[in-house]
Amino acid sequence: SYELTQPPSVSVSPGQTARITCSGENLGNKYVSWYRQKPGQAPVLVVYEDTKRPSGVPERFSGSISGSEATLTISGTQAVDEGDYYCQAWDSDLTFGGGTKLTVL
Amino acid sequence: QVQLQESGPGLVKTSETLSLTCTVSFGSISGYYWSWIRQPPGKTLEWIGYVYDSRGTNYNPSLKSRVSISLDKSKSQFSLKLTSVTAADTAVYYCAVWRPGCFDPWGQGAPVTVSS
Repeated sequence: SYELTQPPSVSVSPGQTARITCSGENLGNKYVSWYRQKPGQAPVLVVYEDTKRPSGVPERFSGSISGSEATLTISGTQAVDEGDYYCQAWDSDLTFGGGTKLTVL
Repeated sequence: QVQLQESGPGLVKTSETLSLTCTVSFGSISGYYWSWIRQPPGKTLEWIGYVYDSRGTNYNPSLKSRVSISLDKSKSQFSLKLTSVTAADTAVYYCAVWRPGCFDPWGQGAPVTVSS
C-alpha cells in the first residue's frame, strides 16, 4: 500500500513561516491535498491539487510539490493556525499521511 | 454549500455490524462521490471507501471484505456498514464528499466504540 511520511511535529514562532513536508514515492505524479484538524473537530481542507487554495482559506496558506515531496507553507503563522495537519494523495487508493502537529510558540 | 451529518449508534458489540448514516443537506446527492473516513483515537485518518451516484463503489483494500457503502437518493442519505467489528474499529467516523482530488466538505464526525 502507498505510504506518505510527515514529520510528527513542527514548531514556529508567531509571524514566522512554517513548512510541513509530506513525502511519498512518485508523489509528484499524484495530486496532494492538505487538511487542518483542531482538537475535537473534523478536518478542514486548506490546499488541494498540490497548490490550489479553497475559497475562505487565508492567502498565507500555500502548497508546493517537487519530486517526491510536497510542502505546505504557512507564511506569517498565527496562533489560530495551530493544529494537526494531514497530507493526502490520490493514487489507486486514497492515502493520508501520519499527520504533523503544528505548534505556534 | 453541501452539509453532512453522521448518525448512528455510539456503541457496537464485538463481532457485530457497525452501521452509520450520513444525511446530506443543502445540495444534490447526485453526481458526487460520497465517502467514509475514520480516525482511531490518537491516530491518523483512514479512508474507508466511497459510493458514486449508486453506480459504483471503491473500498480500501484493507477493509474491503467487511465494508459496504450504499446510497439512498430518496432520503438524501448514504450509509456505511462494517461487519465483524473488533476493538480496532473503535474510531471517529466521518462522512465527506470526494471531489475527486480532495475531501470537502466533511461531517462533524461520529464516535463509535466497539466493546464486548
